[in-house]
Amino acid sequence: EAQVTQNPRYLITVTGKKLTVTCSQNMNHEYMSWYRQDPGLGLRQIYYSMNVEVTDKGDVPEGYKVSRKEKRNFPLILESPSPNQTSLYFCASADRANQPQHFGDGTRLSIL
Amino acid sequence: GIQVEQSPPDLILQEGANSTLRCNFSDSVNNLQWFHQNPWGQLINLFYIPSGTKQNGRLSATTVATERYSLLYISSSQTTDSGVYFCAASPIQGAQKLVFGQGTRLTINP
Repeated sequence: EAQVTQNPRYLITVTGKKLTVTCSQNMNHEYMSWYRQDPGLGLRQIYYSMNVEVTDKGDVPEGYKVSRKEKRNFPLILESPSPNQTSLYFCASADRANQPQHFGDGTRLSIL
Repeated sequence: GIQVEQSPPDLILQEGANSTLRCNFSDSVNNLQWFHQNPWGQLINLFYIPSGTKQNGRLSATTVATERYSLLYISSSQTTDSGVYFCAASPIQGAQKLVFGQGTRLTINP
């Protein structure tokens, strides 16, 4: 089954404790992207990757890091999480940048 | 950057009714997608429609790229159609960035 898998689905943690949200796709897609969804602000792009070792900033990259060492994986790293990063996070993938995007089920992060 | 605006923000209908959701965008696009976020938070891709018309069952979408708008039609609504509908677009210069509208919250009452 074609899918985008995010882990964990839920996480409550404390300020400053480094965390990683993993994202994996099994569709051999070149393009992957991270979004955050906040009430009243909709979905905003954090980072995207056009292919292995090619990543770039989206609209709200501050406080986040990403890497794309393998085609299937695109982890989101919060080196020093802060409460303003409490949000619902989505990973997505597509065959190429301007093609239909397929989303994971989301990760709800709470930073206390 | 490109601006994406959706209307109406909220829509409440009875089961069986038809609805039209609108998405306006401020720049020429080569990527326009419609998504449904269900009550469990999952985002489902409904249409990839940078231009023209597509249909999938009771749902159809039309994008008039020259006039910078897209419409999503839902016919014979069912309670399972409830949720938030998003459109998202990428400008021709910058196809790697997908910008979302604020969404239309659709509630279908039995």
